[in-house]
Amino acid sequence: AQKVTQAQTEISVVEKEDVTLDCVYETRDTTYYLFWYKQPPSGELVFLIRRNSFDEQNEISGRYSWNFQKSTSSFNFTITASQVVDSAVYFCALTRTSGTYKYIFGTGTRLKVLA
Amino acid sequence: DTAVSQTPKYLVTQMGNDKSIKCEQNLGHDTMYWYKQDSKKFLKIMFSYNNKELIINETVPNRFSPKSPDKAHLNLHINSLELGDSAVYFCASSQEWTSGASYNEQFFGPGTRLTVL
Repeated sequence: AQKVTQAQTEISVVEKEDVTLDCVYETRDTTYYLFWYKQPPSGELVFLIRRNSFDEQNEISGRYSWNFQKSTSSFNFTITASQVVDSAVYFCALTRTSGTYKYIFGTGTRLKVLA
Repeated sequence: DTAVSQTPKYLVTQMGNDKSIKCEQNLGHDTMYWYKQDSKKFLKIMFSYNNKELIINETVPNRFSPKSPDKAHLNLHINSLELGDSAVYFCASSQEWTSGASYNEQFFGPGTRLTVL
């Protein structure tokens, strides 16, 4: 069975602090994709990144970076120098590339960045 | 231009009523989805259509019936609404359905907040 765990329900940081959101996944597949989505207070989910299971390179996009480690089945997301606009619920998700398709979302981490 | 749009944004109704939510995407995508997000923000897929064909039907009460008149539209009709149906419903779309799996990013609509009284 596939599963995505985001153990941090809610995190509060002060602006300009760095923060890491954890994502741990379970799958028996050798090929799969991982995603992060952001859901700001306005409600719409916004795609942030997709990573396939063969690509363990870390990725950096501005203040955002992602650390994918197959050895620990983790796909963590770090925001550097957080800003109030980063306040949102962040979802990690997993999908297979064969068999019965399912896009499994984690339960989300609510990030509050305080001014 | 809105990529994935849903109407209405808010829906308040009485238990037992029938209601519909409409979704349209102008991205040219082949695959569309309905998700339900409960009050704890848990997001669960309900249905998925690829080129107007139903490809995913999760364990959803048969009071929920999706309809896809064309690949740009996926509507959700709900019969005999119950209190537990109160949630935010998201429509989404993605490009390509390949080998029974879709692993492209999904584009979400703004959501429809359904409140059943």
